[in-house]
Amino acid sequence: QVQLQESGPGLVKPSGTLSLTCAVSGGSISSTNWWNWVRQPPGKGLEWIGEIYQSGTTNYNPSLKSRVTISVDKSKNQFSLTLSSVTAADTAVYYCARASQVAVFDYWGQGTLVTVSS
Amino acid sequence: QSALTQPASVSGSPGQSITISCTGTSSDVGTYNYVSWYQHHPGKAPKLMIYDVSKRPSGVSTRFSGSKSGNTASLAISGLQAEDEADYYCGSYSSISDVVFGGGTKLTVL
Repeated sequence: QVQLQESGPGLVKPSGTLSLTCAVSGGSISSTNWWNWVRQPPGKGLEWIGEIYQSGTTNYNPSLKSRVTISVDKSKNQFSLTLSSVTAADTAVYYCARASQVAVFDYWGQGTLVTVSS
Repeated sequence: QSALTQPASVSGSPGQSITISCTGTSSDVGTYNYVSWYQHHPGKAPKLMIYDVSKRPSGVSTRFSGSKSGNTASLAISGLQAEDEADYYCGSYSSISDVVFGGGTKLTVL
């Protein structure tokens, strides 16, 4: 059973950089899947942030592309998210998820709340 | 504002059937059969319930079914049970932004 677990600071200052890591267990990050980040602002719906393949190929949401970087560490079986120049609008629960095929997220982490505040 | 439009809430009594709609555009739901549905109990990981419009992953109850007509996809739940009470999200491939989601629908089992 594949499991994903997000980790990282729960509080980030405005204009700072948000950094999260997703540890994958029960399966290899080098499998034929795409590894994704999704977020949910308080009281709002889900927003796709971006994805990465084991090769390092990435795709990002155009609305966030200028501030987002997703990377993969195959030696640690994990992938990471960095979001720069954050504002209060970036306050959200951040989820990592595996996509087994186009727009199909079959495994998710439990999510981690990141608050942007001074 | 989410890219896909869902009703904020729906409700039904145990044993009844309900339907949740998910309306998109020709850039997503209307053109591609890559619509999925997720069940989310707060504090837990979302769970995939339907993918490719109407396919059920192994282990998901046959009480859950999906369909699509034009720009609108639907999730139907029959024989409502107390444990079905959760938030439900639709998602779709989008030619504009790869993946779009709905705003979520809170299902209340009365």
